[in-house]
Amino acid sequence: EPEVTQTPSHQVTQMGQEVILRCVPISNHLYFYWYRQILGQKVEFLVSFYNNEISEKSEIFDDQFSVERPDGSNFTLKIRSTKLEDSAMYFCASSSTANNSPLHFGNGTRLTVT
Amino acid sequence: AQSVTQLDSHVSVSEGTPVLLRCNYSSSYSPSLFWYVQHPNKGLQLLLKYTSAATLVKGINGFEAEFKKSETSFHLTKPSAHMSDAAEYFCVVSGPSSASKIIFGSGTRLSIRP
Repeated sequence: EPEVTQTPSHQVTQMGQEVILRCVPISNHLYFYWYRQILGQKVEFLVSFYNNEISEKSEIFDDQFSVERPDGSNFTLKIRSTKLEDSAMYFCASSSTANNSPLHFGNGTRLTVT
Repeated sequence: AQSVTQLDSHVSVSEGTPVLLRCNYSSSYSPSLFWYVQHPNKGLQLLLKYTSAATLVKGINGFEAEFKKSETSFHLTKPSAHMSDAAEYFCVVSGPSSASKIIFGSGTRLSIRP
C-alpha cells in the first residue's frame, strides 16, 4: 500500500539555524499538509497546499515557515530561524481530495532545537 | 465552528475486555469524523471514518465506531482488547472543505493490562 514518507526521522539543530523537513506524499494525491505535535500536546494544523500554492494556513505558520513542492514529488517544510519552541514532531500528510477524504500521514520528523 | 472533545486522557483495560474511547464533537454542519491511532514513535494511522453513510462504521483491527447525531458522539469501541492495541487514539472532525477545518482531539492513551 502506498505511503507517505518523511525524512529525516529525527533532526537536531541549534537555535537560529534553518531546517528543511522533507516529505514524499502518495503519488496520485493532490493535497498536502503539515501538522505538528509538541510533546504532550495536541496535533496542530500548520498549512495545506494544493496546485502549487498554499490553500490554508494557521496562525502558527508565520513568516519563519515556508513550504515548497520543488520537483513534483517532494513536499518540504522550511523553518528559517529555529526557536526552542519549534521542537516538536512534524507530520506530513496527503489526501486525494480535500472534501471528506482521510489524510494519510507519514511517520513524522522529530525536530529538537537546542 | 467545529470542535472535538475526547473525554478521557487515559484509559486502561485488561486484555480480552471491551474498549470504549469516548469522543464528542460540535459542528455547525454535517461533519466527517475519523479515528486515528498513533503507536509509539510511529505516524498517525487511519482506523476508520464516517462520512454520512452508515452510522456504524467498521475499521481495521476490529475497531468500530457509531455516529450518534442526537448525542453528538462518535465513540470508538472494540469487543476484546489486545496488547498490541496500546497506543494513542485521536478523534478527528472535518468540515465539508478546507484543511484548516480538520480538528484533532487531545488524544486518549490506551493501556492494556496483561
